[in-house]
Amino acid sequence: DAKTTQPPSMDCAEGRAANLPCNHSTISGNEYVYWYRQIHSQGPQYIIHGLKNNETNEMASLIITEDRKSSTLILPHATLRDTAVYYCIVRVRNRDDKIIFGKGTRLHILP
Amino acid sequence: DGGITQSPKYLFRKEGQNVTLSCEQNLNHDAMYWYRQDPGQGLRLIYYSQIVNDFQKGDIAEGYSVSREKKESFPLTVTSAQKNPTAFYLCASSSYTGELFFGEGSRLTVL
Repeated sequence: DAKTTQPPSMDCAEGRAANLPCNHSTISGNEYVYWYRQIHSQGPQYIIHGLKNNETNEMASLIITEDRKSSTLILPHATLRDTAVYYCIVRVRNRDDKIIFGKGTRLHILP
Repeated sequence: DGGITQSPKYLFRKEGQNVTLSCEQNLNHDAMYWYRQDPGQGLRLIYYSQIVNDFQKGDIAEGYSVSREKKESFPLTVTSAQKNPTAFYLCASSSYTGELFFGEGSRLTVL
């Protein structure tokens, strides 16, 4: 079973910040949180990852709660091209074992 | 450019036939993965390989087989024992920092 839970779908107005939550209440101390997105009929694309500190890159920001049981992916100025399914997973960074995806969140950007 | 190459992109199969999906990477990654995706669903792990000449079953391995004779290649065979093989198949490899790099996928349709 997936170790993360996400809402099945969300809407966001174009130009606004999209905040996508992820619950990972059973995360272990050495597991990182990774986010991916999948545009229809393409392979998923890596967005960002973090351990316990907040992270930012050119695509998004990742906010991880202090207890590490949940996180939020923030797309600061959503565009129609951000319409996709977003997946949150947890894994140990340098151990290549089973990587389980949940069903993700389908994000609809509204014009 | 480095990346994951999957072929063919589209494949049609008659019932009772085995088919092999190709996955090649030039990223020098040790670990590789095969996922299956059904319409509107998340990714389900079929097989994964942490190193050459070694692989492990994922959650839905029945009816599938793999080999890992070379670091760069991780082909997936969909056998006639797979009762419902029509799906979108995704191959990925894992970097040392834990990001997964996905191919563009292979869409298999059983006629």
